Amino acid sequence: DTAVSQTPKYLVTQMGNDKSIKCEQNLGHDTMYWYKQDSKKFLKIMFSYNNKELIINETVPNRFSPKSPDKAHLNLHINSLELGDSAVYFCASSQVVTSGIFEQYFGPGTRLTVT
Amino acid sequence: TQLLEQSPQFLSIQEGENLTVYCNSSSVFSSLQWYRQEPGEGPVLLVTVVTGGEVKKLKRLTFQFGDARKDSSLHITAAQPGDTGLYLCAGKQHGTYKYIFGTGTRLKVLA
Repeated sequence: DTAVSQTPKYLVTQMGNDKSIKCEQNLGHDTMYWYKQDSKKFLKIMFSYNNKELIINETVPNRFSPKSPDKAHLNLHINSLELGDSAVYFCASSQVVTSGIFEQYFGPGTRLTVT
Repeated sequence: TQLLEQSPQFLSIQEGENLTVYCNSSSVFSSLQWYRQEPGEGPVLLVTVVTGGEVKKLKRLTFQFGDARKDSSLHITAAQPGDTGLYLCAGKQHGTYKYIFGTGTRLKVLA
Protein backbone atom coordinates (compact mmCIF):
# COMPACT_ATOMS: atom_id res chain seq x y z
CA ASP A 1 0.00 0.00 0.00
CA THR A 2 1.29 3.43 -0.93
CA ALA A 3 1.84 5.62 2.13
CA VAL A 4 1.93 9.02 0.42
CA SER A 5 0.53 9.24 -3.08
CA GLN A 6 0.40 12.12 -5.53
CA THR A 7 -1.39 12.69 -8.79
CA PRO A 8 -0.49 13.27 -11.49
CA LYS A 9 3.06 11.94 -11.75
CA TYR A 10 3.76 14.16 -14.76
CA LEU A 11 2.10 17.41 -15.74
CA VAL A 12 2.91 19.33 -18.91
CA THR A 13 1.05 22.56 -19.48
CA GLN A 14 1.33 25.95 -21.09
CA MET A 15 2.09 29.27 -19.48
CA GLY A 16 -0.93 31.00 -18.06
CA ASN A 17 -2.89 27.84 -17.33
CA ASP A 18 -4.21 26.82 -13.91
CA LYS A 19 -3.44 23.34 -12.59
CA SER A 20 -3.84 21.27 -9.43
CA ILE A 21 -1.79 18.52 -7.83
CA LYS A 22 -3.38 16.16 -5.35
CA CYS A 23 -1.82 14.37 -2.39
CA GLU A 24 -3.14 11.72 -0.05
CA GLN A 25 -1.54 9.92 2.87
CA ASN A 26 -2.84 6.79 4.56
CA LEU A 27 -0.42 6.89 7.50
CA GLY A 28 -2.75 8.71 9.85
CA HIS A 29 -0.26 11.58 10.19
CA ASP A 30 -1.40 14.98 11.40
CA THR A 31 1.05 17.10 9.40
CA MET A 32 1.47 17.40 5.65
CA TYR A 33 3.83 19.44 3.49
CA TRP A 34 4.46 20.66 -0.01
CA TYR A 35 8.06 20.95 -1.20
CA LYS A 36 9.54 22.18 -4.46
CA GLN A 37 12.70 20.58 -5.87
CA ASP A 38 14.43 22.60 -8.54
CA SER A 39 16.67 21.42 -11.36
CA LYS A 40 19.69 21.47 -9.04
CA LYS A 41 17.87 19.09 -6.70
CA PHE A 42 17.47 21.70 -3.98
CA LEU A 43 14.42 20.84 -1.90
CA LYS A 44 12.58 23.79 -0.42
CA ILE A 45 9.52 23.78 1.82
CA MET A 46 6.50 25.69 0.55
CA PHE A 47 3.60 24.97 2.89
CA SER A 48 2.63 22.81 5.82
CA TYR A 49 -0.71 21.91 7.34
CA ASN A 50 -1.35 20.40 10.74
CA ASN A 51 -4.82 18.96 11.21
CA LYS A 52 -6.12 21.02 8.29
CA GLU A 53 -4.63 24.23 9.67
CA LEU A 54 -1.94 26.12 7.73
CA ILE A 55 1.15 26.33 9.94
CA ILE A 56 3.96 27.07 7.49
CA ASN A 57 3.68 29.43 4.57
CA GLU A 58 7.03 30.26 3.06
CA THR A 59 7.69 33.10 0.65
CA VAL A 60 5.70 31.58 -2.16
CA PRO A 61 3.85 33.57 -4.84
CA ASN A 62 0.17 33.82 -4.02
CA ARG A 63 -0.53 32.06 -7.32
CA PHE A 64 0.10 28.93 -5.24
CA SER A 65 -2.78 27.99 -2.96
CA PRO A 66 -2.79 24.86 -0.81
CA LYS A 67 -6.00 23.31 0.41
CA SER A 68 -6.51 20.60 3.00
CA PRO A 69 -10.06 19.19 2.95
CA ASP A 70 -9.14 16.74 5.71
CA LYS A 71 -5.95 15.72 7.44
CA ALA A 72 -5.29 12.90 4.95
CA HIS A 73 -5.34 15.17 1.91
CA LEU A 74 -3.36 18.21 0.86
CA ASN A 75 -3.83 19.66 -2.59
CA LEU A 76 -1.88 22.36 -4.38
CA HIS A 77 -3.49 24.68 -6.88
CA ILE A 78 -1.36 26.89 -9.09
CA ASN A 79 -2.81 29.80 -11.03
CA SER A 80 -1.32 31.51 -14.08
CA LEU A 81 1.57 29.10 -14.45
CA GLU A 82 4.97 30.54 -15.34
CA LEU A 83 8.08 28.95 -16.86
CA GLY A 84 9.86 29.24 -13.50
CA ASP A 85 7.26 27.01 -11.89
CA SER A 86 8.72 24.03 -13.72
CA ALA A 87 10.07 21.70 -11.03
CA VAL A 88 9.28 18.53 -9.15
CA TYR A 89 6.74 19.04 -6.40
CA PHE A 90 6.77 16.66 -3.45
CA CYS A 91 4.10 16.07 -0.89
CA ALA A 92 5.15 14.72 2.51
CA SER A 93 3.59 13.85 5.82
CA SER A 94 5.05 13.56 9.28
CA GLN A 95 4.20 12.43 12.76
CA VAL A 96 5.97 12.78 16.08
CA VAL A 97 7.76 9.53 16.93
CA THR A 98 9.12 10.55 20.30
CA SER A 99 9.77 13.93 21.86
CA GLY A 100 11.55 16.14 19.34
CA ILE A 101 11.66 13.51 16.62
CA PHE A 102 9.47 13.71 13.53
CA GLU A 103 9.55 11.15 10.76
CA GLN A 104 8.79 12.50 7.33
CA TYR A 105 7.52 10.40 4.46
CA PHE A 106 7.57 11.70 0.92
CA GLY A 107 5.38 11.01 -2.04
CA PRO A 108 6.83 10.05 -5.44
CA GLY A 109 6.69 13.61 -6.74
CA THR A 110 4.91 15.43 -9.56
CA ARG A 111 7.12 16.67 -12.37
CA LEU A 112 5.58 19.91 -13.63
CA THR A 113 6.78 21.26 -16.96
CA VAL A 114 5.52 24.64 -18.11
CA THR A 115 6.03 25.42 -21.78
CA THR B 1 17.75 32.26 6.42
CA GLN B 2 19.21 29.02 7.70
CA LEU B 3 21.35 27.15 5.22
CA LEU B 4 22.70 23.63 5.26
CA GLU B 5 25.73 23.22 3.05
CA GLN B 6 26.68 19.73 1.99
CA SER B 7 30.05 18.64 0.72
CA PRO B 8 31.09 17.27 -1.58
CA GLN B 9 28.42 18.18 -4.11
CA PHE B 10 29.33 15.24 -6.34
CA LEU B 11 31.21 12.06 -5.55
CA SER B 12 32.11 9.18 -7.84
CA ILE B 13 33.95 6.26 -6.29
CA GLN B 14 34.74 2.62 -6.90
CA GLU B 15 32.88 -0.18 -5.18
CA GLY B 16 34.52 -1.05 -1.87
CA GLU B 17 35.82 2.43 -1.10
CA ASN B 18 34.86 4.43 1.97
CA LEU B 19 33.43 7.94 1.87
CA THR B 20 32.19 10.71 4.11
CA VAL B 21 29.56 13.34 3.33
CA TYR B 22 29.36 16.49 5.41
CA CYS B 23 26.42 18.70 6.30
CA ASN B 24 27.27 22.07 7.85
CA SER B 25 25.35 25.05 9.13
CA SER B 26 25.91 28.10 11.31
CA SER B 27 22.54 27.47 12.94
CA VAL B 28 21.54 25.06 15.68
CA PHE B 29 18.92 22.44 14.90
CA SER B 30 16.79 20.46 17.33
CA SER B 31 17.29 17.34 15.23
CA LEU B 32 18.82 16.38 11.93
CA GLN B 33 17.80 13.78 9.40
CA TRP B 34 19.49 12.10 6.47
CA TYR B 35 17.59 11.01 3.38
CA ARG B 36 18.48 9.18 0.20
CA GLN B 37 16.68 9.97 -3.02
CA GLU B 38 16.79 7.89 -6.17
CA PRO B 39 15.87 9.22 -9.63
CA GLY B 40 12.15 9.66 -10.13
CA GLU B 41 11.33 9.02 -6.49
CA GLY B 42 10.86 10.97 -3.29
CA PRO B 43 13.48 11.16 -0.53
CA VAL B 44 13.50 8.23 1.87
CA LEU B 45 14.38 8.79 5.50
CA LEU B 46 17.52 6.96 6.64
CA VAL B 47 18.06 8.24 10.17
CA THR B 48 17.27 10.96 12.70
CA VAL B 49 19.84 12.24 15.19
CA VAL B 50 18.79 14.40 18.11
CA THR B 51 21.51 14.66 20.73
CA GLY B 52 24.76 16.55 20.20
CA GLY B 53 27.59 14.06 19.61
CA GLU B 54 25.14 11.26 18.86
CA VAL B 55 26.34 8.47 16.58
CA LYS B 56 23.98 6.07 14.84
CA LYS B 57 24.82 3.12 12.64
CA LEU B 58 22.69 1.62 9.92
CA LYS B 59 24.58 -1.38 8.52
CA ARG B 60 27.50 0.19 6.59
CA LEU B 61 26.30 3.75 7.18
CA THR B 62 27.43 5.75 10.23
CA PHE B 63 25.77 9.05 11.06
CA GLN B 64 27.09 11.61 13.52
CA PHE B 65 25.52 14.77 14.89
CA GLY B 66 27.97 17.50 15.86
CA ASP B 67 28.40 18.37 19.53
CA ALA B 68 26.88 21.82 18.95
CA ARG B 69 24.06 20.39 16.80
CA LYS B 70 25.09 22.53 13.85
CA ASP B 71 26.64 19.89 11.64
CA SER B 72 26.50 16.22 10.78
CA SER B 73 28.35 13.61 8.79
CA LEU B 74 27.48 10.44 6.96
CA HIS B 75 30.18 7.83 6.54
CA ILE B 76 29.72 4.85 4.23
CA THR B 77 32.03 1.89 4.58
CA ALA B 78 32.75 -0.36 1.61
CA ALA B 79 30.37 1.44 -0.73
CA GLN B 80 28.26 -0.62 -3.09
CA PRO B 81 26.52 0.32 -6.36
CA GLY B 82 23.22 0.16 -4.49
CA ASP B 83 24.36 3.14 -2.41
CA THR B 84 24.19 5.34 -5.50
CA GLY B 85 21.77 8.23 -5.09
CA LEU B 86 21.26 11.77 -3.87
CA TYR B 87 21.92 12.17 -0.14
CA LEU B 88 20.15 14.99 1.63
CA CYS B 89 20.46 16.22 5.17
CA ALA B 90 17.61 18.13 6.76
CA GLY B 91 17.62 20.12 9.97
CA LYS B 92 14.56 20.79 12.03
CA GLN B 93 14.09 24.24 13.47
CA HIS B 94 13.41 24.21 17.20
CA GLY B 95 9.75 24.58 18.09
CA THR B 96 8.47 24.28 14.52
CA TYR B 97 7.48 21.62 12.04
CA LYS B 98 9.89 23.10 9.52
CA TYR B 99 12.74 21.17 7.94
CA ILE B 100 15.56 22.94 6.14
CA PHE B 101 17.16 20.71 3.53
CA GLY B 102 20.80 20.66 2.59
CA THR B 103 22.20 21.32 -0.85
CA GLY B 104 22.59 17.59 -1.55
CA THR B 105 25.41 15.20 -2.40
CA ARG B 106 25.15 13.07 -5.52
CA LEU B 107 26.95 9.79 -4.99
CA LYS B 108 27.79 7.34 -7.73
CA VAL B 109 29.37 4.02 -6.85
CA LEU B 110 30.94 2.22 -9.79
CA ALA B 111 31.04 -1.56 -9.92
